[in-house]
Amino acid sequence: EVQLVQSGPEVKKPGESLKISCKSAPDYFSRYWIGWVRQMPGKGLEWMAIIYPGDSESKYSPSFQGRVTISADTSISTAYLQWSSLRASDTAIYYCATSHPTFGGVMPGYWGQGALVTVSS
Amino acid sequence: QSVLTQPPSASGTPGQRVTISCSGSHSNIGSHHVYWYQQFPGTAPKLLIHSDYQRPSGVPDRFSGSKSGTSASLSISGLRSEDEAHYYCAAWDDSWVFGGGTELTVL
Repeated sequence: EVQLVQSGPEVKKPGESLKISCKSAPDYFSRYWIGWVRQMPGKGLEWMAIIYPGDSESKYSPSFQGRVTISADTSISTAYLQWSSLRASDTAIYYCATSHPTFGGVMPGYWGQGALVTVSS
Repeated sequence: QSVLTQPPSASGTPGQRVTISCSGSHSNIGSHHVYWYQQFPGTAPKLLIHSDYQRPSGVPDRFSGSKSGTSASLSISGLRSEDEAHYYCAAWDDSWVFGGGTELTVL
């Protein structure tokens, strides 16, 4: 089993920047997609962005392109999601998830515990 | 608007069989495997079915998945109160695409 450990809850003001993290296992990190999924209060799962750490190829949902940046540091098996200017509408739980060869190696097989981001003035 | 289409709600009584549908297109379900996730309030999603019908270790065989063309379905037999949760389908479409989720109520 792969444990994804996310950074803790954040409370920010509109306009502030933020970078949240997700630490994975080194054995598979570089070889499988890892990404971020947003869940707004009472709503469903929304895919935001994924990255293939081995070559840093990234893909963004059109809904989030230009609003967030996904990155990965293979030396510490950690993926990141960052905002340069938060809005109140970014308030949500953010899950990281990773694919795994046991489950086909493309879609999420393991999920982090989630990180609550609250943006309020 | 989600790429994959699921009914927003489903329900059944204990012991019944319930089926949740997931509709997509050739570029996702029609060409790639379907995945199903279960999510309880306040917790992270959990993989329930992968590669159309495969169950990860620990998932009861009451849960089964199937796929035909550009549609897929999740069936739960012998419904239990603890199955009350949200269920999401997903597939690859040059990225991760999800359904809008189905809230299952056990009456």
